[in-house]
Amino acid sequence: DTGVSQDPRHKITKRGQNVTFRCDPISEHNRLYWYRQTLGQGPEFLTYFQNEAQLEKSRLLSDRFSAERPKGSFSTLEIQRTEQGDSAMYLCASSPMVLYEQYFGPGTRLTVT
Amino acid sequence: GQQLNQSPQSMFIQEGEDVSMNCTSSSIFNTWLWYKQDPGEGPVLLIALYKAGELTSNGRLTAQFGITRKDSFLNISASIPSDVGIYFCAGQPSSSGSARQLTFGSGTQLTVLP
Repeated sequence: DTGVSQDPRHKITKRGQNVTFRCDPISEHNRLYWYRQTLGQGPEFLTYFQNEAQLEKSRLLSDRFSAERPKGSFSTLEIQRTEQGDSAMYLCASSPMVLYEQYFGPGTRLTVT
Repeated sequence: GQQLNQSPQSMFIQEGEDVSMNCTSSSIFNTWLWYKQDPGEGPVLLIALYKAGELTSNGRLTAQFGITRKDSFLNISASIPSDVGIYFCAGQPSSSGSARQLTFGSGTQLTVLP
């Protein structure tokens, strides 16, 4: 069973450093999403790809955030000049073209010190 | 933005009891999804609902898409210890057009007492 995988699972970084997370979606899914979740809250949408095209970006995605999905397979989310407020769980999800069901990976827990 | 009001925020129940939680919005939703999340893990999809009035079961779980399209509820029957976790409702608002992002509620923390 190859579900959505994310790497790393945990990342501790100092304020001002850059970090990059990777997501590998379910292989036959061509839609990929990034969400951010803080303690006690539900996930909040960041951005969405259909194949390699980034179709939507949330206002939460500041200029320090960038996401890519080269060749429409795995995706990376980079945060530049991290701030303490970036500390959160970053979740990736994927879905097939015709359904709204989104399947989540285990997440990457980011702690900015 | 869209907001989902999920209640209750937390529940403490005895093993074997039935549980009910719900989600409401002032906006119309096209799709309702229910997820369960364990600590340190990503949400796991439990049930997906696509039509107003739809009632769908997955084992001991039953969820309904409200007729007004502004609410949904989830029932868990005969709770067991492994039901412990945070349950989230999520929906795709009709006002978002072809947009695919989900709006999530703030979750219901379920504790099952032996």
